[in-house]
Amino acid sequence: SQTIHQWPATLVQPVGSPLSLECTVEGTSNPNLYWYRQAAGRGLQLLFYSVGIGQISSEVPQNLSASRPQDRQFILSSKKLLLSDSGFYLCAWSASGGGGGYTFGSGTRLTVV
Amino acid sequence: GNSVTQMEGPVTLSEEAFLTINCTYTATGYPSLFWYVQYPGEGLQLLLKATKADDKGSNKGFEATYRKETTSFHLEKGSVQVSDSAVYFCALSAYSGNTPLVFGKGTRLSVIA
Repeated sequence: SQTIHQWPATLVQPVGSPLSLECTVEGTSNPNLYWYRQAAGRGLQLLFYSVGIGQISSEVPQNLSASRPQDRQFILSSKKLLLSDSGFYLCAWSASGGGGGYTFGSGTRLTVV
Repeated sequence: GNSVTQMEGPVTLSEEAFLTINCTYTATGYPSLFWYVQYPGEGLQLLLKATKADDKGSNKGFEATYRKETTSFHLEKGSVQVSDSAVYFCALSAYSGNTPLVFGKGTRLSVIA
């Protein structure tokens, strides 16, 4: 069966520090991968999605970036965190070709102090 | 473009009350429709889905019917429990291609004993 792993579960980082969140999927090939952010009391904001290795689509310009170095690995990064980067980050995958639903990871609670 | 509109929350109900969370959509073609649930501190879980008009998705006592004529996918449950307290997201997926899911803004449900 397919599983999605996201870590760490919680993270407290100072302003200006770098960030790296990792997401991996098991049990499937060539998944579509997504990073979402959920600010406190707000809805879901799509940050990046990828339909293949090295293919990244950015939905919102900001100081975050994403990379997909391997088929089932998706990384969210920042060189210098801002206070406004605080939130709940969710990784998700779906079958390639679209039309189906997503499976979400358990999320990372990021607090920038 | 595709969009989803959900009723704004929060919704507060007493245990065993009837629940309706409204969801309407705008889409080209024939999208698939989903309801996701997010319990506190967790990622989103797929609650139910429907892939064509007049389909009824159901799970854990929740139901939603894909109504093409009214472009709606309202979530209902006959008797809510305290454990149903969560945020509920309506979403749609384009019929084909790798376009990301479009989510509504979410509706927070609180059920009190």
